[in-house]
Amino acid sequence: RKEVEQDPGPFNVPEGATVAFNCTYSNSASQSFFWYRQDCRKEPKLLMSVYSSGNEDGRFTAQLNRASQYISLLIRDSKLSDSATYLCVVNNAGKSTFGDGTTLTVKP
Amino acid sequence: EAGVVQSPRYKIIEKKQPVAFWCNPISGHNTLYWYRQNLGQGPELLIRYENEEAVDDSQLPKDRFSAERLKGVDSTLKIQPAELGDSAVYLCASSLSQTTGYTFGSGTRLTVV
Repeated sequence: RKEVEQDPGPFNVPEGATVAFNCTYSNSASQSFFWYRQDCRKEPKLLMSVYSSGNEDGRFTAQLNRASQYISLLIRDSKLSDSATYLCVVNNAGKSTFGDGTTLTVKP
Repeated sequence: EAGVVQSPRYKIIEKKQPVAFWCNPISGHNTLYWYRQNLGQGPELLIRYENEEAVDDSQLPKDRFSAERLKGVDSTLKIQPAELGDSAVYLCASSLSQTTGYTFGSGTRLTVV
């Protein structure tokens, strides 16, 4: 079993839709969590950190459930420009492990 | 502020040849990482530096891969000799600390033929 697992998708949604991705992790000692966005043939870019109380950044909401060992990313009012691969990252003692990503395509 | 700078962007080499990648992290970022990313997968850590010290190189294939970070700033990653399976994107990243998010460079796309 991988340390960090994501549904690879693809998720194909119309503009304006709400879409959610989940990510599960196996190490209960994990300390910090992030979502990255990666466009095709580009490097990953930090989208947002994930805090225990949940956090929001515009149309994006991240949640952490330590008991069930998963994090989630919710995107509201999807835009065409949200099309990308979303990578879940789990950090333990300075070592970050990436999931393989979930691909989102937003269509007109 | 300049981001993480990597070179070259692309490299095509024949198997058994050596290859080197260079990375200049964001100024003031003490932590530097080398990752390898294969198509359709997430990045996998090769080595992590705190200043000039390699604090995690457990995933680095030491028979053919080596890395250094002299003076705790720039870093180079070398493969010698390269194998076909080394074809991938090699990403360098830096961060202020071990628990903050990373900034990645644009990567080096290596093709071994």
